[in-house]
Amino acid sequence: QLQLQESGPGLVKPSETLSLSCTVSGGSISNTNYYWGWIRQPPGKGLEWIGSFSYGGSSNYNPSLKSRVTISGDTSKNQFSLKLTSVTAADTAVYYCARFANSGGAKVDYWGQGTLVTVSS
Amino acid sequence: EIVMTQSPATLSVSPGERATLSCRASQSVSRSYLAWYQQKPGQAPRLLIYGASTRTTGLPARFSGSGSGTEFTLTISSLQSEDFAVYYCQQYDTWPLTFGGGTKVEIK
Repeated sequence: QLQLQESGPGLVKPSETLSLSCTVSGGSISNTNYYWGWIRQPPGKGLEWIGSFSYGGSSNYNPSLKSRVTISGDTSKNQFSLKLTSVTAADTAVYYCARFANSGGAKVDYWGQGTLVTVSS
Repeated sequence: EIVMTQSPATLSVSPGERATLSCRASQSVSRSYLAWYQQKPGQAPRLLIYGASTRTTGLPARFSGSGSGTEFTLTISSLQSEDFAVYYCQQYDTWPLTFGGGTKVEIK
């Protein structure tokens, strides 16, 4: 059974960089049948896709965040990470790592449990 | 970018009744690349339906999806207590992936 687990600081100061990791077990991030990426959800609000990458294809980012986002993978640790620069209070959210199917369209078939990141001084 | 709009924002339904949730896309979602997710408080969303109408393994038959182009519907034929939650639609036809704002199904 595939499992994804987010980790990283729960509090980030404004203007700094938010860094999160997602550890995958029960499957390999180098599997080209899937994208791996991040989705966030501000408290009490809806879901926003941040970006995804696949070792078999390209990386894709939400245009609204593209200038501040990097998503990359480390196959030696079977992890992938999110870096979001120059954060503000508007970046406060629960961040989910997720697996997206690559064939038949990028629906999200596995989610991490989510981690709350608060941006505050 | 395809904008997804869900209605209503909140649906009050009695247990055993039928719930009909709507999702509209700002442009056609080709290949019916439309998914529905359920989210309960404090939990991650879970995939219910993809390809507009294909149920995930083990999903009860009371859940059904339909539609094409720009209009999609999730129907729960007889609401059970465990179905009260927030439901999101998502198009995965084109990048960027986009979600609707959600419909909260609450107990009437």
